[in-house]
Amino acid sequence: DGGITQSPKYLFRKEGQNVTLSCEQNLNHDAMYWYRQDPGQGLRLIYYSQIVNDFQKGDIAEGYSVSREKKESFPLTVTSAQKNPTAFYLCASSVHGIAGEQYFGPGTRLTVT
Amino acid sequence: AQKITQTQPGMFVQEKEAVTLDCTYDTSDPSYGLFWYKQPSSGEMIFLIYQGSYDQQNATEGRYSLNFQKARKSANLVISASQLGDSAMYFCAMTAAGNKLTFGGGTRVLVKP
Repeated sequence: DGGITQSPKYLFRKEGQNVTLSCEQNLNHDAMYWYRQDPGQGLRLIYYSQIVNDFQKGDIAEGYSVSREKKESFPLTVTSAQKNPTAFYLCASSVHGIAGEQYFGPGTRLTVT
Repeated sequence: AQKITQTQPGMFVQEKEAVTLDCTYDTSDPSYGLFWYKQPSSGEMIFLIYQGSYDQQNATEGRYSLNFQKARKSANLVISASQLGDSAMYFCAMTAAGNKLTFGGGTRVLVKP
């Protein structure tokens, strides 16, 4: 089945550690995205990539980094510079670039203590 | 800049009744797209329905319909014959001029048996 996978579902880290969240898609989509969701709130865009080896900052990129070395993979690193990293992180992809319908992965819930 | 507003933080609906979720938007671009997503307690975002700004008819997908009132800049979601499985968070989102997808704050729906 085609889809987006994010692993792990739950992730726990100590403050001051970098952590990388995985996102893989087999939908052959060009564009991929990372969103952050805090409790009771909507999604905010962290980074997006419309093509391999290229990515742009979203609304809340500070303290995060990404790479897009392969079409199917778009890992997100939450660095120690991110002040409040505890959140729910969602990865998405789309066929027609940033203006198109996006398909979402199951999400990773990150807790930093 | 584009903006999405969902004014209903939460609502109850009786099973088998219809429910309308409000969404207003703001953009100066004549070409835009409107989306509704469902987020169950498990966290994944499920695409429900799409309406393009130039579409003449309101979009429908099964029990979901979008009441698109362009002059009022509203894109309300109507769920007919509510089911217990419809209990979830619902997000309205829009994109314009190839810009990023912007989400509203969401409405929590709880279906009562």
